[in-house]
Amino acid sequence: DVHLTQSPSSLSASVGDRVTITCRASQTVSTYLNWFQHKSGKAPELLIYAASTLQSGVPSRFSGSGSGTDFTLTISSLQPEDSATYYCQHTYGAPPLTFGGGTKVEIK
Amino acid sequence: EVQLLESGGGLVQPGGSLRLSCAASGFAFSNYAMSWVRQAPGKGLEWVSAISGNGEKTFHAVSVKGRFTISRDNSKNTLYLQMNSLRAEDTALYYCANLGSFGRGDYWGQGTLVTVSS
Repeated sequence: DVHLTQSPSSLSASVGDRVTITCRASQTVSTYLNWFQHKSGKAPELLIYAASTLQSGVPSRFSGSGSGTDFTLTISSLQPEDSATYYCQHTYGAPPLTFGGGTKVEIK
Repeated sequence: EVQLLESGGGLVQPGGSLRLSCAASGFAFSNYAMSWVRQAPGKGLEWVSAISGNGEKTFHAVSVKGRFTISRDNSKNTLYLQMNSLRAEDTALYYCANLGSFGRGDYWGQGTLVTVSS
């Protein structure tokens, strides 16, 4: 089974900062890597699919990159509404469709 | 408009059973693999179970294998999760989503809360 390791587990940044979250897979997942934003009490929201494709309606300050085992989610200019927990998840091959441990983003 | 509406959650004693439902509308339900994902209090997201679009293939996380069964009725556009032998550690908010192999997960429900406690 593929294991996904996210780092950092939490971060605090100011409005306007550039934020980078990494996700490392224990074996290749090609580009079958999704990024989700999750706010407490709400449904998770898909931000990025296929490692780098921005989901329709998601602000362009979000971007994803990577392939194989190393992936990055970048928020180019952090906004107050970006306070949330972010998860990577792979959908490569048969389940289990593992999630990373999450990165909690707080606004200073 | 796409909607996924979960129901069936509640308070159950350890060892008990519950059946969750997820009613889908606004998209071609039978064309999509579907999953159940849960979030325990203070924990991250955990994939639980998945089923292919035609219902022929099912998958379960090790933590629930042998206790939970995912199924679907494409004539009713509904996804199910039969949960037996429930444990305290199954307490969580359970979401349904269009997540499957090579999929995106762009549709999610709002979740239904399962509490396992005596």
